[in-house]
Amino acid sequence: GAGVSQSPSNKVTEKGKDVELRCDPISGHTALYWYRQSLGQGLEFLIYFQGNSAPDKSGLPSDRFSAERTGGSVSTLTIQRTQQEDSAVYLCASSFDRGDTEAFFGQGTRLTVV
Amino acid sequence: GENVEQHPSTLSVQEGDSAVIKCTYSDSASNYFPWYKQELGKRPQLIIDIRSNVGEKKDQRIAVTLNKTAKHFSLHITETQPEDSAVYFCAASRGDNFNKFYFGSGTKLNVKP
Repeated sequence: GAGVSQSPSNKVTEKGKDVELRCDPISGHTALYWYRQSLGQGLEFLIYFQGNSAPDKSGLPSDRFSAERTGGSVSTLTIQRTQQEDSAVYLCASSFDRGDTEAFFGQGTRLTVV
Repeated sequence: GENVEQHPSTLSVQEGDSAVIKCTYSDSASNYFPWYKQELGKRPQLIIDIRSNVGEKKDQRIAVTLNKTAKHFSLHITETQPEDSAVYFCAASRGDNFNKFYFGSGTKLNVKP
């Protein structure tokens, strides 16, 4: 596609429910990142995929958060048993395989836990 | 790992004035330093980047300087305009394979007409 695509754009869920957020990176980009941005805050690193290597999960805040990347392309971020503090915008970004190239961001998924 | 600190957190300038945002980093192996601009409700977008083999780079009204010895880099915006109002993020990465970006905490720039 022309850019990084995320779905859904907005998600409202009840506390305790599981949610899945999807990211479709730019074709050919082997690096994929997930960030969380709370209102008015910075970019909190969550997880990083690079090709076929084991992902860097060091930013996941709890074991309720997990992510996978199938076939080196689409990624899904799953949050189990959502809590109100999970409410934020979840941003996905992708880049070519080296860390010195531009990372392109998706438009984000705004998650609201009520 | 890398630690990127960014200052100030908020900056208010009069239209036409200059704005400077500063970042420091901790990993001497970092060699790629991009700056992203995020307008309200939009995604972050790259506005300029610099690699460690240069000390300064300019693109019209924006410039970035890098001091590898001191491990700091800065974004300079001259002749600011209201449309420059946004949140700016600096970042650092090592630029090698299997690498990730470390972002600063962001600076909210407000350009007053």
